Amino acid sequence: EVQLVESGGGLVKPGGSLRLSCAASGLTFINAWMSWVRQAPGKGLEWVGRIKSKSDGGTTDYAAPVKGRFTISRDDSKNTLYLQMDTLKTEDTAVYYCATGALWDWGQGTLVTVSS
Amino acid sequence: DIQMTQSPSSLSASVGDRVTITCRASQSISRYSNWFQQKPGKVPKLLIYGTSTLQSGVPSRFSGSGSGTDFTLTISSLQPEDFATYYCQQSYSPPYTFGQGTKLEIK
Repeated sequence: EVQLVESGGGLVKPGGSLRLSCAASGLTFINAWMSWVRQAPGKGLEWVGRIKSKSDGGTTDYAAPVKGRFTISRDDSKNTLYLQMDTLKTEDTAVYYCATGALWDWGQGTLVTVSS
Repeated sequence: DIQMTQSPSSLSASVGDRVTITCRASQSISRYSNWFQQKPGKVPKLLIYGTSTLQSGVPSRFSGSGSGTDFTLTISSLQPEDFATYYCQQSYSPPYTFGQGTKLEIK
């Protein structure tokens, strides 16, 4: 059974940074494409970005609102996915979900609040 | 970026009703459409991928169809546990955008 556990959420001031982690188990992580999806309070789902497996190039793609501010990376030796969020804005406030590449499996999410 | 437009944004229906939710892509996405269900306070769940393939464990009353720009999710006979918000998504070209959601409520 695939398990994805996010951590690292919390309260941060506008302009600040935060790094989310997603610990994965129950899958061959080194071969997995992984994604981040977010959901602002009371709003719909928003795809944030994706990272391919290193064997498929390890490249990343991002949604326009986060491109240039967010960076997705992975540590295959730790079965862990990361989301580095810089220059945070109030509109980045959301629950952030880690998911397998095609969104078949999801973590429980971690809340990020950007507020002064 | 490809825009996904769902309709309706909300829908009231009764147990046993047949319900259809539609999703239109701003350009052709072939058959790279997916549907998700989300219940209040819960994690989204993949129902259908590749337009019409049911994810393992999803009841057969759910079905998907379409191609190109127009897609539908149909629930053949609504059950109490089906009242939720449904989202379409395109996985044709990144960014893999979602529709705005359809909230299915009990009449």
